[in-house]
Amino acid sequence: DTAVSQTPKYLVTQMGNDKSIKCEQNLGHDTMYWYKQDSKKFLKIMFSYNNKELIINETVPNRFSPKSPDKAHLNLHINSLELGDSAVYFCASSQAGASYEQYFGPGTRLTVT
Amino acid sequence: GQQLNQSPQSMFIQEGEDVSMNCTSSSIFNTWLWYKQDPGEGPVLLIALYKAGELTSNGRLTAQFGITRKDSFLNISASIPSDVGIYFCAGQTSGTYKYIFGTGTRLKVLA
Repeated sequence: DTAVSQTPKYLVTQMGNDKSIKCEQNLGHDTMYWYKQDSKKFLKIMFSYNNKELIINETVPNRFSPKSPDKAHLNLHINSLELGDSAVYFCASSQAGASYEQYFGPGTRLTVT
Repeated sequence: GQQLNQSPQSMFIQEGEDVSMNCTSSSIFNTWLWYKQDPGEGPVLLIALYKAGELTSNGRLTAQFGITRKDSFLNISASIPSDVGIYFCAGQTSGTYKYIFGTGTRLKVLA
């Protein structure tokens, strides 16, 4: 039973398009995250939601908009895609105030052509 | 954004050898996490540490929370080919939801 799942696994699209990535966790956690991993494998946090409330918003272009319809879901919408947006995007979740262990999804490899 | 320094950046070792890597920060953390990432996969949590000086094992892996709370160490004993991958540390400060990740140690095991 997958703990943190993301769809799609791969996403190839052209510059200027709008796309969404979906994330779901069945761990009962109250905090979810989006990370971007670049070609050098550096993991950088983008956003975090706690109980559907945005709590972390790093320096990310406003073309990126996260949405959390409920505690178990966190989606990422990207407008007007650019070449530099090509990367692997990871969703993660944790339970603050408990173990603080953070679990990652399998990633979505976005390629912008 | 802030990143933690991991050392070494990469290493080749012979199967059966022990491996040591570390992670250092200029900030104090209350939680240290260690992850392994295989190609095409998401990072998998290996060990979590919560107290300064704490030593925790998970099979052949042993991790330590540094006394200064600014560093952490991961040891792998008797390495095997499937240990190949990128190992990341991550630190978290109490009262925040943010995890800061290390730059990664790329491990390659020669059979």
